[in-house]
Amino acid sequence: DAGITQSPRHKVTETGTPVTLRCHQTENHRYMYWYRQDPGHGLRLIHYSYGVKDTDKGEVSDGYSVSRSKTEDFLLTLESATSSQTSVYFCAISESTTGSYEQYFGPGTRLTVT
Amino acid sequence: AQKVTQAQTEISVVEKEDVTLDCVYETRDTTYYLFWYKQPPSGELVFLIRRNSFDEQNEISGRYSWNFQKSTSSFNFTITASQVVDSAVYFCALTPGSGGSYIPTFGRGTSLIVHP
Repeated sequence: DAGITQSPRHKVTETGTPVTLRCHQTENHRYMYWYRQDPGHGLRLIHYSYGVKDTDKGEVSDGYSVSRSKTEDFLLTLESATSSQTSVYFCAISESTTGSYEQYFGPGTRLTVT
Repeated sequence: AQKVTQAQTEISVVEKEDVTLDCVYETRDTTYYLFWYKQPPSGELVFLIRRNSFDEQNEISGRYSWNFQKSTSSFNFTITASQVVDSAVYFCALTPGSGGSYIPTFGRGTSLIVHP
């Protein structure tokens, strides 16, 4: 199994508070991604990173920011959490240099915004 | 832009039945990669298989088989003699092989329920 961890695994927070989710990998993969998964919507890309300090927006980036200061860590921040951001968040990694491209996912973080 | 369609939202079968999950894709890229992922009730997402656009060979792995047909832009997944443990949501995905972003497009998933 790919070494990907997410923390916290569960979090309940109040509307308006900032929240940071962490993704940590031990595979030295170049690409890292944050998705949210909601019923009826499948997986939706929030942000992704193609290297240290290189990030870009996905399809549902509003209200989220990311940072990647080290290859192994990719942080997702909800600047001011809203109830619509209640979701399960998955981090994923992939590597293109080996010609693989498949994604390996972390265990997910269940976030509830009350 | 890419698009992946999994028209079957939910499939319900009885154990030992064969079942095929459909995946149809759209892309303008000549090089691309197709994937299947499994998400069991426990929630983790597991990579199952990758297929390159230049390799149309079908693949079999135990009870699982995948049929890739460029002529119909389909990458279907068949489970033979289904088991209760196959119950999961299955996602099909496509990643472009050029452009540098390697951003996958996922289908919305097919929920497979296998009854004992």
